[in-house]
Amino acid sequence: NAGVTQTPKFRILKIGQSMTLQCTQDMNHNYMYWYRQDPGMGLKLIYYSVGAGITDKGEVPNGYNVSRSTTEDFPLRLELAAPSQTSVYFCASSSGLVTDTQYFGPGTRLTVL
Amino acid sequence: AQSVTQLDSQVPVFEEAPVELRCNYSSSVSVYLFWYVQYPNQGLQLLLKYLSGSTLVKGINGFEAEFNKSQTSFHLRKPSVHISDTAEYFCAVSALGNEKLTFGTGTRLTIIP
Repeated sequence: NAGVTQTPKFRILKIGQSMTLQCTQDMNHNYMYWYRQDPGMGLKLIYYSVGAGITDKGEVPNGYNVSRSTTEDFPLRLELAAPSQTSVYFCASSSGLVTDTQYFGPGTRLTVL
Repeated sequence: AQSVTQLDSQVPVFEEAPVELRCNYSSSVSVYLFWYVQYPNQGLQLLLKYLSGSTLVKGINGFEAEFNKSQTSFHLRKPSVHISDTAEYFCAVSALGNEKLTFGTGTRLTIIP
């Protein structure tokens, strides 16, 4: 049982490049989340999904896109990378209600130069 | 709207001494409260949560927290810390009816040998 896995662990992008951050969970969780963590700022919710085919914006969605075609996968797409998107990105999943524990992946450290 | 404040960004503590990490929240309705811990280079994991009932909540690794409605606080405590407790600690809140968590900015706990 791997839990929540994220790839890649590290990535350096040039301004304007695109990339997809991968997230997979093997716990059959309906809810999945993408957060970004900036120093001294805590975690901010980018997008979340309550099931396959259903996604919604979080607090800081601009510059990102998501899709959820299966229960297991929830990729995050950056279309035109900007320096402001330099951050650590965490994917998380939970079985349902907000009262349920969120399980986090190990994170992807992204630098945009 | 829901918000959470962690006033202490860094807390240094001697090994085997007690520690209290402070968390205050703001919400016009009832809340659920959580403490998550992030060990170096890892994702977050749940320490404990308050949903209802007893205001004293016990979590993993000897941590506990007390929900104080009148002071809108949910401070985290441990009677004797160890080197392995070195980590960043995040308080999070979810107001009743809101399916999303709002995280605080985190408190970095440093244990001094």
